[in-house]
Amino acid sequence: GQSLEQPSEVTAVEGAIVQINCTYQTSGFYGLSWYQQHDGGAPTFLSYNALDGLEETGRFSSFLSRSDSYGYLLLQELQMKDSASYFCAVAVGSARQLTFGSGTQLTVLP
Amino acid sequence: GAGVSQSPSNKVTEKGKDVELRCDPISGHTALYWYRQSLGQGLEFLIYFQGNSAPDKSGLPSDRFSAERTGGSVSTLTIQRTQQEDSAVYLCASSLALSGGTAYGYTFGSGTRLTVV
Repeated sequence: GQSLEQPSEVTAVEGAIVQINCTYQTSGFYGLSWYQQHDGGAPTFLSYNALDGLEETGRFSSFLSRSDSYGYLLLQELQMKDSASYFCAVAVGSARQLTFGSGTQLTVLP
Repeated sequence: GAGVSQSPSNKVTEKGKDVELRCDPISGHTALYWYRQSLGQGLEFLIYFQGNSAPDKSGLPSDRFSAERTGGSVSTLTIQRTQQEDSAVYLCASSLALSGGTAYGYTFGSGTRLTVV
């Protein structure tokens, strides 16, 4: 089976930088994805890493180390609207179906 | 359609009743997934459809749960003899094939909030 570990809660202030870590144990790993979910909303796709290294998309960056089974999501210049839950997910198996972590609740304070 | 549409958005049912939840995926998406999310929890995989292949039902928690996808498009998740522990948000997602392993990702609907009383 697969398992993913991420912190349950993170708090930061507006304008700051925050890093949300994710470690995983899985077989047949294809890549690590990140999704954002606001309260009552649908999860939305943020980023995907298949290879080691950093992927940058605007204020958000995502990192993967396959040898360490570890990745993180980096959010810069935090805004109040970034308050949400963030889920890491691994793509496994021939169908590359996503298995999700339990989510990290990010609270951005003014 | 432009997005993944789920109905109803909210459903309150009595324990022991059957419920049907509907998902209308993005046109052209061959893969369709059902996930369940309990309050404050992560997403629990239920079932996956890919084209005309047999569905992957490995995540269904009991034989009270079933799903079908008609014509490769609309899907219905049925829960028979509902129990209070079935209360959760049921999320549907669609994608191009094998998109969990690509930079394309899944597109989720807004979910159906099921409450069993």
